[in-house]
Amino acid sequence: GIQVEQSPPDLILQEGANSTLRCNFSDSVNNLQWFHQNPWGQLINLFYIPSGTKQNGRLSATTVATERYSLLYISSSQTTDSGVYFCAVYYGGRRALTFGSGTRLQVQP
Amino acid sequence: NAGVMQNPRHLVRRRGQEARLRCSPMKGHSHVYWYRQLPEEGLKFMVYLQKENIIDESGMPKERFSAEFPKEGPSILRIQQVVRGDSAAYFCASSSLGGENTEAFFGQGTRLTVV
Repeated sequence: GIQVEQSPPDLILQEGANSTLRCNFSDSVNNLQWFHQNPWGQLINLFYIPSGTKQNGRLSATTVATERYSLLYISSSQTTDSGVYFCAVYYGGRRALTFGSGTRLQVQP
Repeated sequence: NAGVMQNPRHLVRRRGQEARLRCSPMKGHSHVYWYRQLPEEGLKFMVYLQKENIIDESGMPKERFSAEFPKEGPSILRIQQVVRGDSAAYFCASSSLGGENTEAFFGQGTRLTVV
C-alpha cells in the first residue's frame, strides 16, 4: 500500500513564528486532505486539496501531485494552533482516506 | 447544520463486555467510514458503509468487530467481548459522495477504555 510520511514529527514554536509542515506520499493520489486534531481530540478539516494552492486565513496549503508532496504553511502561529496535524490521501481504487502519522505542533506563548 | 455526531463520547467497558458506538452522519450524507486511532498514532481505516450496505471492510479485524448502517437510524460499530487492546479512539466520518470526490468530515470520536 501507499506510504504517507509527515515531517517533522514534532515541532515547537514561539507564538508569532511561521512554520511549514510536509507530507510526502509514495504513489499517485487522487485527492488529499489536511486536518488539525486539537488537544481535545477533535479532528478539524483544514483543506481538501488534490492539487494547487489554497489559503484560509493564516493557513495555506500547496499540493504538487506530480512530485508526490503537499505542504501546509502556518503563519503568525498562535497557542490555539497547538495539536497534531495530519495529512490523509485517497489513492488507487481505495474509497477511504489513508493517514500519515502526523506532526505534533506545540506553540508556546 | 449539525456535523457528524458520535455517541457516547467516552465509554468504559470491562473485559468481555460488548461496546456499541453510534454515528449519525451529516445531513445529506449517505457514506459513512469508521477509523480507529491508537494512542500517539494516526487514524487507521476500518470499514466503509452506505445505507444498508458494507462497501469495504478490509480494515476490520476478522473477529468480534461488526458494523452496520441501517436504512433508518445511525451507523453502529459493535465490538463483542472487548479486550484491553481494543482501547482506542474510534472516529466516524461521512461524505456526500463516496471516495475522493468529496470532502470527508469527522465526528468528535468515542474514546473506549477497556478495564
